[in-house]
Amino acid sequence: DTAVSQTPKYLVTQMGNDKSIKCEQNLGHDTMYWYKQDSKKFLKIMFSYNNKELIINETVPNRFSPKSPDKAHLNLHINSLELGDSAVYFCASSQGGTPTFGPGTRLTVT
Amino acid sequence: AQSVTQLGSHVSVSEGALVLLRCNYSSSVPPYLFWYVQYPNQGLQLLLKYTSAATLVKGINGFEAEFKKSETSFHLTKPSAHMSDAAEYFCAVSDGAGGTSYGKLTFGQGTILTVHP
Repeated sequence: DTAVSQTPKYLVTQMGNDKSIKCEQNLGHDTMYWYKQDSKKFLKIMFSYNNKELIINETVPNRFSPKSPDKAHLNLHINSLELGDSAVYFCASSQGGTPTFGPGTRLTVT
Repeated sequence: AQSVTQLGSHVSVSEGALVLLRCNYSSSVPPYLFWYVQYPNQGLQLLLKYTSAATLVKGINGFEAEFKKSETSFHLTKPSAHMSDAAEYFCAVSDGAGGTSYGKLTFGQGTILTVHP
């Protein structure tokens, strides 16, 4: 009965690789987000989609490309991974302005 | 633009003592305000939220927060700390569901709460 789920939970990869993180919500929400939590635990929004349409792109490098195939899914693809991309990535969804967060994906780039 | 400042990156209390975590915000529009808790290696769980109704908001696990517009504050309190309250707490602000940012949250830097026996 997980409301917002992400896969994988852990992702270890080398610099230069391309990787994807998947997110699904079963809450029927219209809006989905990706947030990044850095090594100092600071949380910052990356993207927001509303009904599959990109509405927020917070000056994220274009190596990051979100894709929303339908309202319940928002995936994050990252090209040419860099050491600085190591972080925990949280997916979230909301309806009425209160985000529900997924469990996070810990990405480690070596 | 919106911003949040959490005063004190670490707060330590004894079990049974009052918990007070401070949050001040800046917003050019009426804000929505949130407190989330993050346990180690877990996601963010909503504790409580203020969405322009009652200024004293009660949340889960005995926590509450009071919205004070004049002080631009939204401090989180709990009368009696429990060992299980040890976690990191994040205050966040948004311009609400009807705002132009579709509920985007701006977070504070977090406060780690330690509870001593």
